[in-house]
Amino acid sequence: KAGVTQTPRYLIKTRGQQVTLSCSPISGHRSVSWYQQTPGQGLQFLFEYFSETQRNKGNFPGRFSGRQFSNSRSEMNVSTLELGDSALYLCASSQGQGAGDTEAFFGQGTRLTVV
Amino acid sequence: DAKTTQPPSMDCAEGRAANLPCNHSTISGNEYVYWYRQIHSQGPQYIIHGLKNNETNEMASLIITEDRKSSTLILPHATLRDTAVYYCIVKHTGFQKLVFGTGTRLLVSP
Repeated sequence: KAGVTQTPRYLIKTRGQQVTLSCSPISGHRSVSWYQQTPGQGLQFLFEYFSETQRNKGNFPGRFSGRQFSNSRSEMNVSTLELGDSALYLCASSQGQGAGDTEAFFGQGTRLTVV
Repeated sequence: DAKTTQPPSMDCAEGRAANLPCNHSTISGNEYVYWYRQIHSQGPQYIIHGLKNNETNEMASLIITEDRKSSTLILPHATLRDTAVYYCIVKHTGFQKLVFGTGTRLLVSP
């Protein structure tokens, strides 16, 4: 069974540009969550999508947005990039169903550098 | 979200058991205890989770105290590849949001 796939793995952008990151979850998983990891703030939750709907959102500015498609693939977008957006962006997929509780599986991440 | 407290770092000799403690004194009845680890610059890896009973899988054992205010992750025979940052997380059932603290940096030495 294929794992969580994130593309691209590395990205360099200039301040003010926008960027789109992609995440393909494990087959059959309907929940996709996004996290940002920086040396200063650690791992922080951005948002979660389930069946194309945003279910939960972290404390990030509106420049950070996402969406989920009918095949559960998800994208996140960051507009008007700032130097502080340089980070490792991680995607996690899970079944997301209610009964019991299910673990999340993480991708290898996209390392974004803003110059 | 309940907060967790972990020691910032621990050392373990290769082949010995690594016991990583976690305090979650404000945990509520519908919150699970999860453990993840992250090896440098990789995505976090799920290890184990539990509600109130002790759990064991091929990677580790999870011991949760009867009052559920603390837990211990046990790696029975640590190897060099177990060197990583270990995160103890308390998660509300049905929600996928994981709140990561600073974790415990485990160093396994020969």
